[in-house]
Amino acid sequence: NAGVTQTPKFRVLKTGQSMTLLCAQDMNHEYMYWYRQDPGMGLRLIHYSVGEGTTAKGEVPDGYNVSRLKKQNFLLGLESAAPSQTSVYFCASTHGSRSTDTQYFGPGTRLTVL
Amino acid sequence: AQSVTQPDIHITVSEGASLELRCNYSYGATPYLFWYVQSPGQGLQLLLKYFSGDTLVQGIKGFEAEFKRSQSSFNLRKPSVHWSDAAEYFCAVGTTAGGGNKLTFGTGTQLKVEL
Repeated sequence: NAGVTQTPKFRVLKTGQSMTLLCAQDMNHEYMYWYRQDPGMGLRLIHYSVGEGTTAKGEVPDGYNVSRLKKQNFLLGLESAAPSQTSVYFCASTHGSRSTDTQYFGPGTRLTVL
Repeated sequence: AQSVTQPDIHITVSEGASLELRCNYSYGATPYLFWYVQSPGQGLQLLLKYFSGDTLVQGIKGFEAEFKRSQSSFNLRKPSVHWSDAAEYFCAVGTTAGGGNKLTFGTGTQLKVEL
C-alpha cells in the first residue's frame, strides 16, 4: 500500500515548455487535489476532482489543466511553463467529501522553470 | 471566504521545553480544523483534527490542540519538545462548499529545536 505517489520528484523546465505531473493513489479514494506550495504562502489549491471524469477549479487554476481519466490517477498539466510556476506541487486524496475526511498527501514534485 | 492565520513564521525552542503554535481562523460556519506537519523534503502528515465535541483534541506524536470558538483559535501544543519535532507546521480549515473537501492553509510556522 503505497498511499499517494507523485512522478517525477524533481524537474527543471525552460519557459514555454510543457509537462505533466502524475499523481497516483492506491486507496480507492474518490476525491483528489492538486496544491502548490510557495515560500511564505502555505499551500494553495490549484484544481480538484470529485470523481473519475470530473474536475473543478481551485484557488489558483490559471496556467494549469488537469485530467482524471482513471479513478486512481490525477494529472496536472502545464501547457506553457512560466517562471511564476516554479513551486513545489503536492497531490492529495480523500475517501469522501466530508470536511472531516483526512487528506493524504504525496511527497511532492519540485518544479523549477527557468 | 475562509482564511487561516499563523502569526509566527519561525519559533525556536529548547529540547524538553513546552511548545505552543498559534492558529487563528476565519470561517462563517462551524469550522473543521486541522494541523499538519511537514518534515524537510517530505509531504504533509496529519497531526490532529477537530470537527465537533471535546474542544481539546489529542493527536499523534504527543501533540494536542485546543479549539476556542470565542477567540477563533486552534493552537497546537506539546508539553516537551523532542529534536525530531523540528519541522514546518501548518494549520488548515476545511470546507465542502462546491464539492470535495478543500483545505485552506495558513502560511506555516517553522519550528527549530535547540539541543
